[in-house]
Amino acid sequence: SQQGEEDPQALSIQEGENATMNCSYKTSINNLQWYRQNSGRGLVHLILIRSNEREKHSGRLRVTLDTSKKSSSLLITASRAADTASYFCATPGGENSGGSNYKLTFGKGTLLTVNP
Amino acid sequence: EAQVTQNPRYLITVTGKKLTVTCSQNMNHEYMSWYRQDPGLGLRQIYYSMNVEVTDKGDVPEGYKVSRKEKRNFPLILESPSPNQTSLYFCASSPFTGTSADTQYFGPGTRLTVL
Repeated sequence: SQQGEEDPQALSIQEGENATMNCSYKTSINNLQWYRQNSGRGLVHLILIRSNEREKHSGRLRVTLDTSKKSSSLLITASRAADTASYFCATPGGENSGGSNYKLTFGKGTLLTVNP
Repeated sequence: EAQVTQNPRYLITVTGKKLTVTCSQNMNHEYMSWYRQDPGLGLRQIYYSMNVEVTDKGDVPEGYKVSRKEKRNFPLILESPSPNQTSLYFCASSPFTGTSADTQYFGPGTRLTVL
């Protein structure tokens, strides 16, 4: 079963607007990672937030982590057409990991479309 | 340039014909992993390796083999491919932090079709 689940599955916005994507997970984690994938291409790491951090910024990206709610959000500010991509959260461990934190589980992703 | 390379990028084969997809990284990473990506199912981990000669099963290891004889290489072997292994495959590597799976660096992907 999935450890991380993104919400919404798809999001369409206009250029300049902010985009917010959410990720929920089930078991305790050491870190949570966000990745971006342009259609059919390899995933690119965006940001990693550790379990003792609540918020992290990188350029136009802002990630929050609420371990009490087992959820994270990714905010992209002032979006651009080039931000159009799928965004995935990933967490170590999970229900089927056998206790291993070295197994990484990805969600199914949020497809973001930024219209010019 | 730091990168993960995969070969081939595209492959069409027939059921039962053994194949190997190679993966190589030049970042001296200890951790390497294989994923498959299917529509509606997202990205699922097949196998991972924390170091040379150390491999472990991911979520969907059935029908696949891996080996880690050298630090830089982590080939994925399909001994007898079947049509349900038609997928987009990604190799990834990561520095080993000692506590958990960390930032992954992905290869460009291999699109495999099994007829």
